[in-house]
Amino acid sequence: DGGITQSPKYLFRKEGQNVTLSCEQNLNHDAMYWYRQDPGQGLRLIYYSQIVNDFQKGDIAEGYSVSREKKESFPLTVTSAQKNPTAFYLCASSMWLADYEQYFGPGTRLTVT
Amino acid sequence: GQQVMQIPQYQHVQEGEDFTTYCNSSTTLSNIQWYKQRPGGHPVFLIQLVKSGEVKKQKRLTFQFGEAKKNSSLHITATQTTDVGTYFCAGPNTGGFKTIFGAGTRLFVKA
Repeated sequence: DGGITQSPKYLFRKEGQNVTLSCEQNLNHDAMYWYRQDPGQGLRLIYYSQIVNDFQKGDIAEGYSVSREKKESFPLTVTSAQKNPTAFYLCASSMWLADYEQYFGPGTRLTVT
Repeated sequence: GQQVMQIPQYQHVQEGEDFTTYCNSSTTLSNIQWYKQRPGGHPVFLIQLVKSGEVKKQKRLTFQFGEAKKNSSLHITATQTTDVGTYFCAGPNTGGFKTIFGAGTRLFVKA
């Protein structure tokens, strides 16, 4: 089955801890994206990557970091510098550039207390 | 900066009524995409419109792309409870490297 997997589905952390969210795709897509969604809100772009070993900041990159060492994987680290990390995090992938539809993973719900 | 706006923010309908959500971009778009997110789920791609004035139908859903390629609409005929969710429109930014999503329209359907 082709698709995007995100793990875990739910994640709980104490304030001050860094946490890494996993995102893997086997769609052979070049582009990958991380979004944050707060309750009742839209999607806000955190980081995106068009090719391996390259990534760009989105609209709300502060307090987050990413890596793209493999085409299939785009992990997101939520650092302790992120002021309000509790949110629903969605990973997506698409073929080259934004002219193509995005395929979303099931998401990770992060709760930081 | 480039923006994609959607109205209304929420819509409550009785099952069987029609529903329309509107999307407006601050700039001309090369294409527009529509996604649906069920409560508790993730966005799922519905359709992409590319041509000026394009109209596409998927069963009870009708999608339109404006002549100026700056606005779009999604119309659902005779809503069903399975239509519940949030509908997002999205388009490429000017550079084409990322997608700008509208804030979404949340549809509630009462049986």
